[in-house]
Amino acid sequence: DQQVKQNSPSLSVQEGRISILNCDYTNSMFDYFLWYKKYPAEGPTFLISISSIKDKNEDGRFTVFLNKSAKHLSLHIVPSQPGDSAVYFCAASAWGNAGNMLTFGGGTRLMVKP
Amino acid sequence: DSGVTQTPKHLITATGQRVTLRCSPRSGDLSVYWYQQSLDQGLQFLIQYYNGEERAKGNILERFSAQQFPDLHSELNLSSLELGDSALYFCASSEGGPRTGELFFGEGSRLTVL
Repeated sequence: DQQVKQNSPSLSVQEGRISILNCDYTNSMFDYFLWYKKYPAEGPTFLISISSIKDKNEDGRFTVFLNKSAKHLSLHIVPSQPGDSAVYFCAASAWGNAGNMLTFGGGTRLMVKP
Repeated sequence: DSGVTQTPKHLITATGQRVTLRCSPRSGDLSVYWYQQSLDQGLQFLIQYYNGEERAKGNILERFSAQQFPDLHSELNLSSLELGDSALYFCASSEGGPRTGELFFGEGSRLTVL
């Protein structure tokens, strides 16, 4: 049972344009969401997060939007740069889960073309 | 550099064998998490330890076991290896409180079972 889903395995975007990566979840207990970026041969690195009390969080070129009623979140990258090419994972946790156990989606491979 | 160290980086072994993967968390982090990433899959949570004690268990096979030592490093033991155990195994660490934000991942140990 996949509680966090990223339905697009890959996305190709032109440099300078907007990249939109999507994520859906099914567990209504999730109340904290994160995006991680992963380059080849490296571990995932934290990018941005959002609490369920917000619907938007922005950090530079990266903005995460949360739609609780739709159980959907998205990551916007504007403008996209070739260095953003990586695999992006969304993750979620629920208050009351032991520690910080995160449930990850399957990832979306973003390719930003120069 | 996340501060999380995993060894070995690569490991090739045969079916039926046993291997041990090691993880040193970031300085000061009390929680250690193990995740498995099979080919083109998301990160599957295996197990979490907090200050030496098991805190949460995910989809970890009975052939797998882990422990966290007094110096907080952790080991993941995989036994009776099967071809399907070939994967990237990531260790992550965090401060370990109820909600302390993101996890910090190591670079992973790539296990190949032949």
